[in-house]
Amino acid sequence: DIVMTQSPDSLAVSLGERATINCKSSQSVLYSSNNKNRLAWYQQKPGQPPNLLIYWASTRESGVPDRFSGSGSGTDFTLTISSLQAEDVAVYYCQQYLITPLTFGGGTKVEIK
Amino acid sequence: QVQLQESGPGLVQPSQTLSLTCTVSGGSISSGSYYWSWLRQPAGKGLEWIGRIYTSGSTDYNPSLKSRVTISVDTSKNQFSLKLSSVTAADTAVYYCARGTDYADFVYWGQGTLVTVSS
Repeated sequence: DIVMTQSPDSLAVSLGERATINCKSSQSVLYSSNNKNRLAWYQQKPGQPPNLLIYWASTRESGVPDRFSGSGSGTDFTLTISSLQAEDVAVYYCQQYLITPLTFGGGTKVEIK
Repeated sequence: QVQLQESGPGLVQPSQTLSLTCTVSGGSISSGSYYWSWLRQPAGKGLEWIGRIYTSGSTDYNPSLKSRVTISVDTSKNQFSLKLSSVTAADTAVYYCARGTDYADFVYWGQGTLVTVSS
């Protein structure tokens, strides 16, 4: 299995400030057929299902605000919220979809400082 | 817009079989080339992928649950289903169904249904 490790477990950021979440995979998730990383980021608010933010490690899903960005390649990835808004309070998960079993990171809880 | 809705018993007795159904609306479950997945999330914990069924009917399961899981599809009802046998309290969770696209595995989600395993 590919193990996904997120850090930190929780993060408190002031409104308008940057939030950075890291995700490390136990092996590369680079898909050789198209040279893209099969890594997604999800946002989950209380009582709701997760919502896809980023796929291919850096492509924003339609409708996702541009303050959310993804970067990284191979085994190390980052989700950045450039200017934290109140509605961004949530738990964020990374997920690899290179091979089954599909696996998620443990989640990072983002709160307002 | 594709919509998914989970349904099934909210309480299951230990050692019994958990059975859930995901009803798809806004599109045919047999059209296109998509994976239809089940996931779960214990209260206050992270997400676990249980398994998926492809439009063709082929399946993939999480090895950690494979011996107890069956996912099937009923195209006539536009539904796919999950059966998890020999449940214990550790199987208590919110269960989600989800559909992928060609660029990500979980784009469309159901709202989730809480299943509690208890006598």
